Amino acid sequence: GQQLNQSPQSMFIQEGEDVSMNCTSSSIFNTWLWYKQDPGEGPVLLIALYKAGELTSNGRLTAQFGITRKDSFLNISASIPSDVGIYFCAGQRSWEAAGNKLTFGGGTRVLVKP
Amino acid sequence: KAGVTQTPRYLIKTRGQQVTLSCSPISGHRSVSWYQQTPGQGLQFLFEYFSETQRNKGNFPGRFSGRQFSNSRSEMNVSTLELGDSALYLCASSSGGQGISDTQYFGPGTRLTVL
Repeated sequence: GQQLNQSPQSMFIQEGEDVSMNCTSSSIFNTWLWYKQDPGEGPVLLIALYKAGELTSNGRLTAQFGITRKDSFLNISASIPSDVGIYFCAGQRSWEAAGNKLTFGGGTRVLVKP
Repeated sequence: KAGVTQTPRYLIKTRGQQVTLSCSPISGHRSVSWYQQTPGQGLQFLFEYFSETQRNKGNFPGRFSGRQFSNSRSEMNVSTLELGDSALYLCASSSGGQGISDTQYFGPGTRLTVL
């Protein structure tokens, strides 16, 4: 099973709101990645983080690589309807320890408030 | 540049049968990794192939196997299918460099249903 704890498991958004989600682990990762998956599709890479403390933006998305290397968060600002989907965090250990194997969180399902 | 393609997109099999799934990586990419996605276990790493050799392996039984061809296309095979093998099987390609910045790009997946 997965070793990354991702929260929240689901959330409702209203257009214009900022949302955030995070991932924690008991192990150190050298790379943190955030993917989004739409129904019937594979995960699409949103942001990649390679250095502890790194803060990276991609449009309305901002992600940070935790200083302990055991956590990461993703913020979405001014959400829009197409932000709906499932967001996954993924961690990669050192090449020597695990090659290019990605370990995934359980996902955060983002839904629109009715 | 074309993305990762997987065929077929959907498959229905019965218990005990075997199945072969195919993945064509992004042009120029030499590494192909396979993942299984289920509601209960999430996304789990199956194995990775690079230059026609299995370079890394997850914790799946020997019924799950794969191979890679000289053009980097990869197939995975599941023998003696069980109900629990029903899942979305995702393939990811990357350049294959041994570094933390070797980003993996996913295909749309093959949805396997075992009856």
